[in-house]
Amino acid sequence: AQSVTQLDSHVSVSEGTPVLLRCNYSSSYSPSLFWYVQHPNKGLQLLLKYTSAATLVKGINGFEAEFKKSETSFHLTKPSAHMSDAAEYFCVVSENSGYSTLTFGKGTMLLVSP
Amino acid sequence: DTEVTQTPKHLVMGMTNKKSLKCEQHMGHRAMYWYKQKAKKPPELMFVYSYEKLSINESVPSRFSPECPNSSLLNLHLHALQPEDSALYLCASKGQGGSEQYFGPGTRLTVT
Repeated sequence: AQSVTQLDSHVSVSEGTPVLLRCNYSSSYSPSLFWYVQHPNKGLQLLLKYTSAATLVKGINGFEAEFKKSETSFHLTKPSAHMSDAAEYFCVVSENSGYSTLTFGKGTMLLVSP
Repeated sequence: DTEVTQTPKHLVMGMTNKKSLKCEQHMGHRAMYWYKQKAKKPPELMFVYSYEKLSINESVPSRFSPECPNSSLLNLHLHALQPEDSALYLCASKGQGGSEQYFGPGTRLTVT
């Protein structure tokens, strides 16, 4: 069985300051991990993915995530927040087997103030 | 091109109506998914199609009826819905080479 815990339901930052969204996972197998972003009333957009290659993964819009197996973590970071980053972020795990169904975290709402 | 399209964007229907949601992708993906998403919640898996065959039905009520007429299209037929079925319905697809899914923009459904 697999599960995902997003440690913060809301994160508030000021524009230009760093962003850290925390995610811990549990998986019986060697998982694939993803971060998706969802702006209000929109679909989910894939930000980045980890699939057992490099542990530091670069994504779109300046986001990065580091896979740490010893800590079972996959935290999302960005050096400098932009107003357009305000959205809901989902950490997601897939076990790379069968139909690759996704297990979602509950989401973290990122609020960016001017 | 990693685009999944969904129509309509918005749908309002009464509890006795019959309507359909459509999803289309031209990425050659052979796995397609329907999700339901309530406000401030993550998406919940409803159905999985693999090579045009229904592979997973997550105990979804029969008032939701999926259909995969070909490898590019996925429909969700709706009949006799309840107000609690109001939600954002998302379609996704996945290629053979990875496990990431690509999502469409969704259909916002309101049942009155």
